[in-house]
Amino acid sequence: DSGVTQTPKHLITATGQRVTLRCSPRSGDLSVYWYQQSLDQGLQFLIQYYNGEERAKGNILERFSAQQFPDLHSELNLSSLELGDSALYFCASSATGAGEQYFGPGTRLTVT
Amino acid sequence: DQQVKQNSPSLSVQEGRISILNCGYTNSMFDYFLWYKKYPAEGPTFLISISSIKDKNEDGRFTVFLNKSAKHLSLHIVPSQPGDSAVYFCAASAGSYQLTFGKGTKLSVIP
Repeated sequence: DSGVTQTPKHLITATGQRVTLRCSPRSGDLSVYWYQQSLDQGLQFLIQYYNGEERAKGNILERFSAQQFPDLHSELNLSSLELGDSALYFCASSATGAGEQYFGPGTRLTVT
Repeated sequence: DQQVKQNSPSLSVQEGRISILNCGYTNSMFDYFLWYKKYPAEGPTFLISISSIKDKNEDGRFTVFLNKSAKHLSLHIVPSQPGDSAVYFCAASAGSYQLTFGKGTKLSVIP
C-alpha cells in the first residue's frame, strides 16, 4: 500500500459527460501528479501540483483540468468526454516535488 | 518522439536465474532514472532509482546500472522469483521533476 488513495476505482460514463477523479496523497507529501495510461501506451504525464500551485504541465487536453486543495488532495476534471478518453488514470505523490513518486491504485474510466 | 524506450515488450526467465531488463533514452538532460513494477489492477510501485552521477545502485536483489555514454540503463534481478512476474517500467526525469516513462516490459518468471 503506497498510501496514495484514489476514488472511484471504476467509472463508466457516456460521451459528452463530465467526471471528477479524486486523489489523496501520502501523508506529508506536498506534490501531486496525474498520469494517463491508455491501451498499449506507457504512462503519460498530465499535470503536477505542488502545495496548491500548478508546477508542470504535460500532455493534458484543454478539456481536462485539475486542482489541488488546501488539504493537499487533488481532483482531475475531465469534460466533454470522448471514447478515446477511456484509460487508467493514476495519481502519484512525492514529498518535495522531485525524486521518487508513489502511485495510487488508479481509476479506470470507460467512456461508452 | 519516445524519449524513454523499452524495446522488449516481454521477457521470460527461469526461477533462480538473472533477469535483465533494458531501457534506452534519448534526452541528454535526463539526470535521474527510476524503475517501477506494476501488477495488474494496481498502481506502479517504486523499485529502485539512480542519479546520473552514479553508474550503479543496489538494493537487495535489484541492481540498476547506468551507462551515460550509451544512454542506457538496465535492471538486474538476482535471483528471479515467481513473485517478480509483473510489468516493469523505466522512467526518467530532467530536473523538472515530471517523469517520462517507457512502455514497459512484461517479465514472466517461470517456476
